[in-house]
Amino acid sequence: SAVISQKPSRDICQRGTSLTIQCQVDSQVTMMFWYRQQPGQSLTLIATANQGSEATYESGFVIDKFPISRPNLTFSTLTVSNMSPEDSSIYLCSVYGGIGQPNTGELFFGEGSRLTVL
Amino acid sequence: AQTVTQSQPEMSVQEAETVTLSCTYDTSENNYYLFWYKQPPSRQMILVIRQEAYKQQNATENRFSVNFQKAAKSFSLKISDSQLGDTAMYFCAFTNFGNEKLTFGTGTRLTIIP
Repeated sequence: SAVISQKPSRDICQRGTSLTIQCQVDSQVTMMFWYRQQPGQSLTLIATANQGSEATYESGFVIDKFPISRPNLTFSTLTVSNMSPEDSSIYLCSVYGGIGQPNTGELFFGEGSRLTVL
Repeated sequence: AQTVTQSQPEMSVQEAETVTLSCTYDTSENNYYLFWYKQPPSRQMILVIRQEAYKQQNATENRFSVNFQKAAKSFSLKISDSQLGDTAMYFCAFTNFGNEKLTFGTGTRLTIIP
């Protein structure tokens, strides 16, 4: 299993500003995933963050808008840049089990960061 | 590309009743995982149950069970003796073996009525 802490839990932001979300895992993991959940919607994968390499972005998401850092095997950040009201969403960090643990295919999630852009 | 479809946006049942949530998926792969995740109002996504496609036996976890029909690409979730704490959004999800990405359905909002 894996326990994930995300900060901030929620924030209200002004249009045009940027916000960085932090994700801390209690064990070392190879991949960390960032999802977006728009109001009343399902989860959409933004990007996959690997330690020591550039993040891999899904179609429709670009690095300039959602820069990601992955400085070590337990931590990642997602920045939402130049925010607009359309960026109001819950952003979730997720991982598979820690390195050395059997891969059951189960994703573990943080509690998410709810951003409201005015 | 894989797709996951949940045709029931909302459902509600009386406490202690049984409810079945539907999910269909589309893939050309033969080996994959299917999941049901629960997202209560507190937002924390929690795994409810998992099914490996190569297993013919339907997965069961206490009050939760699935009806996995591989040929029909159907993966429904049955909740028996429903409880108030089962009130949540339920997402069906899919991933191929060896593919790290999880594809989610649009979700079903389940309300258990006292």
